[in-house]
Amino acid sequence: EAGVAQSPRYKIIEKRQSVAFWCNPISGHATLYWYQQILGQGPKLLIQFQNNGVVDDSQLPKDRFSAERLKGVDSTLKIQPAKLEDSAVYLCASSLVLRKGLAGLNEQFFGPGTRLTVL
Amino acid sequence: GNSVTQMEGPVTLSEEAFLTINCTYTATGYPSLFWYVQYPGEGLQLLLKATKADDKGSNKGFEATYRKETTSFHLEKGSVQVSDSAVYFCALSVGGATNKLIFGTGTLLAVQP
Repeated sequence: EAGVAQSPRYKIIEKRQSVAFWCNPISGHATLYWYQQILGQGPKLLIQFQNNGVVDDSQLPKDRFSAERLKGVDSTLKIQPAKLEDSAVYLCASSLVLRKGLAGLNEQFFGPGTRLTVL
Repeated sequence: GNSVTQMEGPVTLSEEAFLTINCTYTATGYPSLFWYVQYPGEGLQLLLKATKADDKGSNKGFEATYRKETTSFHLEKGSVQVSDSAVYFCALSVGGATNKLIFGTGTLLAVQP
């Protein structure tokens, strides 16, 4: 079974530029997550989709970050304009259909991540 | 709020040594607890989990017991190998409308031959 795919693996941009990341989840996984992992910290959830609807985007800096999941499969995360503090690894994860209150049952599978460096 | 605190690294051990990585949590309700591992150059992988108090999760020789009275989920392994060198993350999920994971800061384990 193919895992979660992400591209690009690495990206270097200058501040104020824009950047986009792509994620293809495991086939059949309805739930998709984007996490931000700053060096020395644990991953932090940015946004969660169930099919093509947003479940949680409370931690997404909406003035510069946007994400979409058209057709409920692939997803893109965009930053425009980027700031120095956006330098991080952006992780995509997917899981089967979300069942409310059954947190332990839906394992999240992570992609390899995209390492973003903002200069 | 919900949070996870884990011991800072790096933890450096010789092969076959005993490993403990401490993890404590603060959460509302009854969280599920997880340990994820990140090998160099790879994505996060679920190592083990426990969904209720006194449950023991185990995998690949690693174990962790969900202790509600001490709000802890310490990771242990009796005899580490060089191949266990990685970053280990403790995490929780409180379910509800989402099952988002809240992670600790990670602990780097380096095992020397």
